Amino acid sequence: SQQGEEDPQALSIQEGENATMNCSYKTSINNLQWYRQNSGRGLVHLILIRSNEREKHSGRLRVTLDTSKKSSSLLITASRAADTASYFCATGYNQGGKLIFGQGTELSVKP
Amino acid sequence: EPEVTQTPSHQVTQMGQEVILRCVPISNHLYFYWYRQILGQKVEFLVSFYNNEISEKSEIFDDQFSVERPDGSNFTLKIRSTKLEDSAMYFCASSVQGQGYTIYFGEGSWLTVV
Repeated sequence: SQQGEEDPQALSIQEGENATMNCSYKTSINNLQWYRQNSGRGLVHLILIRSNEREKHSGRLRVTLDTSKKSSSLLITASRAADTASYFCATGYNQGGKLIFGQGTELSVKP
Repeated sequence: EPEVTQTPSHQVTQMGQEVILRCVPISNHLYFYWYRQILGQKVEFLVSFYNNEISEKSEIFDDQFSVERPDGSNFTLKIRSTKLEDSAMYFCASSVQGQGYTIYFGEGSWLTVV
């Protein structure tokens, strides 16, 4: 299976703390994308990291990719209550751009 | 910022009826997708569409489903003979190219089959 697996499934932290979510996958990828989903809403794209990249930053977000371990992590620094959402990794493999999503991590940031 | 837009946001339909979900992808994008998310489950790929034809489809995307790009802007998903288990959030998505490019998702269409 190509499916990604996120870890942890749920994470509860205090505002201001950092949140780290991990994603593992099973086969070689072309790229990995992280998305956020607020309850019942659409998927908001956060970051895309390609297989030849090791780290990318966007504002308070940092994504790492270790292709030797087939894993990625998403770090949110100085979390805010508004960061409360589900976070998904999605792996891209083929020419058509199809993504395979993980189960997601449910992040709760308490004010 | 350009967005993928979807209509309707929510549709309730009787079992056995046909539904059409509509999407307007981002205007300069060439690849279009449909995904679904059953409540509490992960997002699942249904189909990808490029150059006016299906480029890939999942096992879920059987003869009950079809996609169409009827004009230069709309991209539709038709579900025939709906079943209770078709109840889900359906997401349309698009990307400027295929592999290695950001895929942008719409807000989704909630389909409830009763």
